[in-house]
Amino acid sequence: GAVVSQHPSWVICKSGTSVKIECRSLDFQATTMFWYRQFPKQSLMLMATSNEGSKATYEQGVEKDKFLINHASLTLSTLTVTSAHPEDSSFYICSARAPAVTNEKLFFGSGTQLSVL
Amino acid sequence: LAKTTQPISMDSYEGQEVNITCSHNNIATNDYITWYQQFPSQGPRFIIQGYKTKVTNEVASLFIPADRKSSTLSLPRVSLSDTAVYYCLVGDGAGSYQLTFGKGTKLSVIP
Repeated sequence: GAVVSQHPSWVICKSGTSVKIECRSLDFQATTMFWYRQFPKQSLMLMATSNEGSKATYEQGVEKDKFLINHASLTLSTLTVTSAHPEDSSFYICSARAPAVTNEKLFFGSGTQLSVL
Repeated sequence: LAKTTQPISMDSYEGQEVNITCSHNNIATNDYITWYQQFPSQGPRFIIQGYKTKVTNEVASLFIPADRKSSTLSLPRVSLSDTAVYYCLVGDGAGSYQLTFGKGTKLSVIP
């Protein structure tokens, strides 16, 4: 099946620093990738939709200047949390979709646990 | 996008069959029904997808009645490793696929 690789698995950073999370589709080309965040014991919340070669579309309430998304190629999307603060601590998950290969199913990365001190 | 409703939690003993039902009264004609499984600190994993009637794979079965306003995920003979949160999603198979996750069902398998 389609594999989505997400790195790092966990990261600890100081308040005010920026953190970059990578999401790669290993065996297919992902025309669209999605970024979610999940707080403990809660469901996934869609943050933004990332389309290769164009600007990301952010969900209402998500600060685009704080959560920078870049989808420079058909196999890589990155999420950068800029000037991170403790309230940004969360589990971040990416997913990828490629209708031609994955029959319009979503495949998810393993997630990144971000802890901001 | 159609909203989904599932039971918040379910308990089952090992070896039993578990059925989790999801309501999606406002499902659109082009919407598929997809179930995902999530373990703690991991990304969701695709389980099964269907449009109508019954779908079966090596992991589960998915039953969809004719009106498609609900669906039932059936897990045969669950084991402790099936303890997880199960999400039912409904979305346009040919659209934006901006899926909205509901609260999911926390399945606890008891020895």
